[in-house]
Amino acid sequence: QQQVKQSPQSLIVQKGGIPIINCAYENTAFDYFPWYQQFPGKGPALLIAIRPDVSEKKEGRFTISFNKSAKQFSLHIMDSQPGDSATYFCAASRTSGSRLTFGEGTQLTVNP
Amino acid sequence: GAGVSQSPRYKVAKRGQDVALRCDPISGHVSLFWYQQALGQGPEFLTYFQNEAQLDKSGLPSDRFFAERPEGSVSTLKIQRTQQEDSAVYLCASRPGWGGRYNEQFFGPGTRLTVL
Repeated sequence: QQQVKQSPQSLIVQKGGIPIINCAYENTAFDYFPWYQQFPGKGPALLIAIRPDVSEKKEGRFTISFNKSAKQFSLHIMDSQPGDSATYFCAASRTSGSRLTFGEGTQLTVNP
Repeated sequence: GAGVSQSPRYKVAKRGQDVALRCDPISGHVSLFWYQQALGQGPEFLTYFQNEAQLDKSGLPSDRFFAERPEGSVSTLKIQRTQQEDSAVYLCASRPGWGGRYNEQFFGPGTRLTVL
């Protein structure tokens, strides 16, 4: 039962480009939306997270845009670098809940 | 301080063998989670502990899967009579508490299980 849908599955951009990864969720009880970055052989690491009471959050080169009415949120990576090449996962959970529900992942490649 | 550690990092088992996977969470973290990550997929929730209490085990795929955290720190995920479909990376995550800024889960590097 997939409650968080993520697209695209893979993405290739040139250095300096702005990759955008999109996610859509179904469960309106979700109120915490993190993005994780995963390198091969490593566990996921938190990049940035947002709550539905704001429409945008920026941390460094990473920005989350959130559309509560559409139940969608997206990650933008400004001035992308080859070191950003990794798999990115969106996720969702309830603050009072226990589990993260992850999207399917997006494999990002940033070419030099 | 040290992050979440998991051992072994790699495990190869013959079908039908039992395996035990260990997770050492960040010291003092109250909550501990296990996730299963199939190749090319996002992690999927297996089970959750708050201290030594297993509060949610609804994600365990069958009764061959068992997890424990007897003293509220180290946790072990045991898989009995392994099957090929159990092949995956098993991720452990810990969280300082719950609610507010304590929602962040810190993940270990995972144990890659291959069942032949």
